[in-house]
Amino acid sequence: DTEVTQTPKHLVMGMTNKKSLKCEQHMGHRAMYWYKQKAKKPPELMFVYSYEKLSINESVPSRFSPECPNSSLLNLHLHALQPEDSALYLCASSQDRAENSPLHFGNGTRLTVT
Amino acid sequence: GQSLEQPSEVTAVEGAIVQINCTYQTSGFYGLSWYQQHDGGAPTFLSYNGLDGLEETGRFSSFLSRSDSYGYLLLQELQMKDSASYFCAVRTGGFKTIFGAGTRLFVKA
Repeated sequence: DTEVTQTPKHLVMGMTNKKSLKCEQHMGHRAMYWYKQKAKKPPELMFVYSYEKLSINESVPSRFSPECPNSSLLNLHLHALQPEDSALYLCASSQDRAENSPLHFGNGTRLTVT
Repeated sequence: GQSLEQPSEVTAVEGAIVQINCTYQTSGFYGLSWYQQHDGGAPTFLSYNGLDGLEETGRFSSFLSRSDSYGYLLLQELQMKDSASYFCAVRTGGFKTIFGAGTRLFVKA
């Protein structure tokens, strides 16, 4: 079990669907992240929120839209995805931006785009 | 460019010691971390080295040499449950962390 909770665990969606991934943490962490991980590949950073403000967008296509409603919640809204977007989407949090502040990952949402 | 190099696979037997090396070339360096990920699971933090030297946490140790842009993770008294992927990761600045491609460790009985 992790302290970062992601829902749903699995999601299958068509290319015309709109869906949202949700992430929640109650560790009081002020930084939250979305990572994308393809099979047998490392996690790749997509977005970072710091104190509920978008801090980093790694040139992610606009069909991915992040949202941070409050310090405990992070959403990723999906629209008009492509089959190549199928991957494991990981949410993470960290206490702050300190170099030794580790990332705490959720178990991820396994997304399949058909 | 930025790169982290680590072996793709390592195989060892139960009870043995294994070392996973990581060399890095990044535009910024604010520490080397190691993460473990079991199949179907989340990456979990194992260790962090901000300064040169050895950090020990139970059966796991991690080493860093900043002058050589090199680090390693040492796993002792290997157990079957240690079979997983291990990622080295560099904090390059701010909130950015870059991960190596990962090393799959297979522990045999």
